[in-house]
Amino acid sequence: KAGVTQTPRYLIKTRGQQVTLSCSPISGHRSVSWYQQTPGQGLQFLFEYFSETQRNKGNFPGRFSGRQFSNSRSEMNVSTLELGDSALYLCASSSGGYPTNEKLFFGSGTQLSVL
Amino acid sequence: AQSVTQLDSHVSVSEGTPVLLRCNYSSSYSPSLFWYVQHPNKGLQLLLKYTSAATLVKGINGFEAEFKKSETSFHLTKPSAHMSDAAEYFCVVSDPPGGFKTIFGAGTRLFVKA
Repeated sequence: KAGVTQTPRYLIKTRGQQVTLSCSPISGHRSVSWYQQTPGQGLQFLFEYFSETQRNKGNFPGRFSGRQFSNSRSEMNVSTLELGDSALYLCASSSGGYPTNEKLFFGSGTQLSVL
Repeated sequence: AQSVTQLDSHVSVSEGTPVLLRCNYSSSYSPSLFWYVQHPNKGLQLLLKYTSAATLVKGINGFEAEFKKSETSFHLTKPSAHMSDAAEYFCVVSDPPGGFKTIFGAGTRLFVKA
């Protein structure tokens, strides 16, 4: 079974641009969650989607948004990029049932550098 | 809101000696707790999870954790460290328990000396 796939693996953007990152979950998984990892702030929860609906979100500005498609693939978008958005963006998938005492399967991440 | 605090940012042990990585949680409910490991240039992997069925939880690679409600702790241990255990370890809680928001601790970097 293929794992969680994130594309692209690396991305370089300049301030003010926008970026879209993609995540394909493990086949059959309906929940996709996104995280930002930086040396200073650690791993922070961005949002979680299940069956195309956002069920929860973290404390990030509205420049960070996401969506999920009917095939469970998810995208996250960051508009008006700032230098501080440079980070490793990780996505994870799970079957998504409630309660979610379930194992999260993580992708390798997209390393975003904002210049 | 739930939260976790990892008490050590770095831990260094010699190969063959015990490992102790400390985690305290804050929860108004019976928490959902996990430990994940991140090896350099590799994705995050679940080590173990607390499901309330047992206070001592056994995970992969010889790791285990004990849930202590009186101390609000969920420390990760391993009797004998191996060089391959060198990685970053994260204590994680679901907010609310069984909910859809995942809160990661700041992480503990484990160094293993030969």
